[in-house]
Amino acid sequence: DQQVKQNSPSLSVQEGRISILNCDYTNSMFDYFLWYKKYPAEGPTFLISISSIKDKNEDGRFTVFLNKSAKHLSLHIVPSQPGDSAVYFCAATLFSGNTGKLIFGQGTTLQVKP
Amino acid sequence: EAGVTQFPSHSVIEKGQTVTLRCDPISGHDNLYWYRRVMGKEIKFLLHFVKESKQDESGMPNNRFLAERTGGTYSTLKVQPAELEDSGVYFCASSQVTGMISPLHFGNGTRLTVT
Repeated sequence: DQQVKQNSPSLSVQEGRISILNCDYTNSMFDYFLWYKKYPAEGPTFLISISSIKDKNEDGRFTVFLNKSAKHLSLHIVPSQPGDSAVYFCAATLFSGNTGKLIFGQGTTLQVKP
Repeated sequence: EAGVTQFPSHSVIEKGQTVTLRCDPISGHDNLYWYRRVMGKEIKFLLHFVKESKQDESGMPNNRFLAERTGGTYSTLKVQPAELEDSGVYFCASSQVTGMISPLHFGNGTRLTVT
């Protein structure tokens, strides 16, 4: 049973507009969430994270929102740039478990059109 | 600093053969992880080393998979004998300290194709 789900396999947006990537999770014990970005033939690279004690974390053009009651998080990219085109993975973990084991979603392929 | 390196980048083998994947973590990183992505699905955890000890191997699919990290430096993941469903991209990741204060650094992966 998949504990982290990204229900949109792909997303296409125009350069300069907002990209919103969504992620749902089922395990209420998860207390730390991350987004990774992956380019073809490369490994995932860390983008941004959020602890369950917060509902928002911002880093430049990237903002992650967490809605614990809905078990939902989203990544906003504003403004979107063609270089943002990649696969985005949502991941969750038990920070208190302190193991670094991540549970990933299936990924969403973002295409930003010039 | 050099990143996580994995070798080979691609491997094509026949069903029943053996393949060994290698991962060199970032120098000084005690934590080493193996993950796998099959057919465009989610990236799944396989196991976690702390130095040379297996901390968590709950994600290992079966006993055809053997991971080692002798001396606490590089790690190998052997698949013997390989089956068709083992095809996928195998990622290695490392981190300096246990916990999420230090996010995982991933290698570029080894794409394994079993025919």
